[in-house]
Amino acid sequence: SQQGEEDPQALSIQEGENATMNCSYKTSINNLQWYRQNSGRGLVHLILIRSNEREKHSGRLRVTLDTSKKSSSLLITASRAADTASYFCATSYSGNTPLVFGKGTRLSVIA
Amino acid sequence: EAGVAQSPRYKIIEKRQSVAFWCNPISGHATLYWYQQILGQGPKLLIQFQNNGVVDDSQLPKDRFSAERLKGVDSTLKIQPAKLEDSAVYLCATGDYGDRAYEQYFGPGTRLTVT
Repeated sequence: SQQGEEDPQALSIQEGENATMNCSYKTSINNLQWYRQNSGRGLVHLILIRSNEREKHSGRLRVTLDTSKKSSSLLITASRAADTASYFCATSYSGNTPLVFGKGTRLSVIA
Repeated sequence: EAGVAQSPRYKIIEKRQSVAFWCNPISGHATLYWYQQILGQGPKLLIQFQNNGVVDDSQLPKDRFSAERLKGVDSTLKIQPAKLEDSAVYLCATGDYGDRAYEQYFGPGTRLTVT
C-alpha cells in the first residue's frame, strides 16, 4: 500500500514562481526522500531528510519535515520549465529497506 | 560512474505470454530492488535482494512473477504468464549503503504493455 500521499496531485505555475508540494505519511520513519521523474524516464534522487532533521536545503530545493504531523514539504524556488516532472516522496524505515512511495505530484512549469 | 542499466526499454506482449527484464546494477552496489509502477501511481516494491539473497519478496505475485540475481550482480525479473494488469513500468534500483547511505539509484525502467 502507498505510505505517502502527495498534495496537490497536479500543480501548474509560471516560470520563476515557487512550487510547493506536500507529503503526508502514516507510520514512523527513519528518513524521507524526494524523487523527480521526467516523462518516460527513471526516478532521480533529489534530497533526503532524516527523522531527526527539520529542514534541508539543496540548491533551489528546500525540504521540511514535521514528524509530529507525519508530513513533509518540498519547495522549489524560481522554477524553470525544466522542472516540469512528477515529484514523489518516499519513506524508509532504515537505510537498507525498500522505499514506500506516494502517488506523486505532477508539476507543470509554463515558460 | 555508470548508472543502473535496464533492458529492454519497451516491450509489448499479448496476455498469457512470457516476458523477462534485465537489470545491471551500479558496480559494487549490494542491494537491488525491483519496483512496479502503474500509470499514475508511485513505484511499488516487488522484491529486494541483498547480494544474491532475497530479503523481501512479500509483494511479489509468486504464481506468475519470479526474479533472480546471479552472483550478486545482474538480475532478471520474469512474468509468466502475463495478465493485462501487469502493464506498467518495471524499475530496477540499487543502493550503496556507504558514503551515500539510504539513497537509491534507479534505472530508466522497462515499459511493459500487455494486450
